[in-house]
Amino acid sequence: QVQLQESGPGLVKPSGTLSLTCAVSGGSISSDNWWSWVRQPPGKGLEWIGEIYHSGSSNYNPSLNSRVTMSVDKSKNQFSLKLSSVTAADTAVYYCAERLKFKTYFDMWGQGTMVTVS
Amino acid sequence: QSALTQPASVSGSPGQSITISCTGSRSDVGSYNYVSWYQQHPGKAPKLMIYEVTNRPSGVSNRFSGSKSGNTASLTISRLRAEDEADYYCSTYTSSTTLFGGGTKLTVL
Repeated sequence: QVQLQESGPGLVKPSGTLSLTCAVSGGSISSDNWWSWVRQPPGKGLEWIGEIYHSGSSNYNPSLNSRVTMSVDKSKNQFSLKLSSVTAADTAVYYCAERLKFKTYFDMWGQGTMVTVS
Repeated sequence: QSALTQPASVSGSPGQSITISCTGSRSDVGSYNYVSWYQQHPGKAPKLMIYEVTNRPSGVSNRFSGSKSGNTASLTISRLRAEDEADYYCSTYTSSTTLFGGGTKLTVL
C-alpha cells in the first residue's frame, strides 16, 4: 500500500518561495496515479492546489495557477510543490495525496506538514 | 469555481442519525456522480469515507452512506457514535479540477 510523506521548511519569508516534497513509498511514482497537493489554513477548510502525473502533465487550481509549479523526480520516487510570492495567507498545513487515474477522489493522504509564512 | 456549500455544523446524540448536505451547481454536483466525502479528526489527515456519491471504501462502516438529488449531495451517518465527531468535507471532480466544500463540524452530544 502506498504511503506518502511530506517534507520541507516549516517557515518561509513573505515574498519567498515555498518548496515541499512528497516521498512515495510502497509504490512507484510512475504508476497510474495523479499526485496531488491540498492545503488547509489553520481553522479553515481544504483547498486543492493541483496535481501532476508522472509524465509531467499537470492541472492546477485556477486561483493559484500563476504561482504554482509541480514536478516529479522519478529517480527519488517523489514529487514536489513550489509556490512563489507567498504571503501570510499561504500559511497552512500542506498535504500530498494520491488520486488513481480515471478516479475522482483521493484514497491516500500524507500526514501533512505545517508551513508558516512570516 | 465556487466552493461547494455545506452547513457549518450539525449535531446529534449517540444512536441517532444525521445528514450533512453539500450543494453545488448543475455543472458539477448536478452533472456527474463524482462526489466524495472525507472525515477529518483534529490534527489528522482527511480520510475517504464515500466516493462516487454512494460507494464506501473497504473498511468504512456501513453506518456511513451517501446520496444525491439534483445539485445537492448528502452524507448520512446512522447510529451515531462518539468517534464520529469530526469535520466532514464533500468534494467533486470536474474539468480536471477538484473542489471542496467548506466543511461541516459534527458534534456528538
